[in-house]
Amino acid sequence: AQSVTQPDIHITVSEGASLELRCNYSYGATPYLFWYVQSPGQGLQLLLKYFSGDTLVQGIKGFEAEFKRSQSSFNLRKPSVHWSDAAEYFCAVVHSNAGNMLTFGGGTRLMVKP
Amino acid sequence: DAGVIQSPRHEVTEMGQEVTLRCKPISGHDYLFWYRQTMMRGLELLIYFNNNVPIDDSGMPEDRFSAKMPNASFSTLKIQPSEPRDSAVYFCASRYSGGRYNEQFFGPGTRLTVL
Repeated sequence: AQSVTQPDIHITVSEGASLELRCNYSYGATPYLFWYVQSPGQGLQLLLKYFSGDTLVQGIKGFEAEFKRSQSSFNLRKPSVHWSDAAEYFCAVVHSNAGNMLTFGGGTRLMVKP
Repeated sequence: DAGVIQSPRHEVTEMGQEVTLRCKPISGHDYLFWYRQTMMRGLELLIYFNNNVPIDDSGMPEDRFSAKMPNASFSTLKIQPSEPRDSAVYFCASRYSGGRYNEQFFGPGTRLTVL
């Protein structure tokens, strides 16, 4: 069965600092990978997705993620964090052959210090 | 595009009462998903529909939970009777199978509190 691990439950960074949120997946075939962000009291918003091709994908709000098959990772990065980036971030994977079942990681809560 | 619409946004009820959560997917989307989010268990898929037909309900926790999709623009998740441990945020999501990506679009969620 596929699974997604986000090793960091909480991360605190200073505003303006760089950010990297880790995501590891366990899935035999080519995965479809996603990063979602959830602001307090809100639903989930898609930041970016990877299906094939260029392993470095750009998303909204200045985020990017890199797919590394050899490491089974899809880490999310941002070069300079803004206070408004404080939220919870979820990595997710879906069956490439089923296309329906999104499996989410446990989430990483990001706090931004002024 | 209004996005996925859920109602109510907040629901407070007493143990034993029936609770009905509602979802209107994005027009044209043929898949609909119900998720539950709790601190302890994170985001869990409860059930999903394709063309109004339930496909996988293995995530539904108990017989107290039921979901229906009478037409392409409306779905309900019902809990009867409700219990305090059902307190959670319930999300509805939809997607279009004809799109290139398997992106799911989420509603704002219903925060359920069972006293």
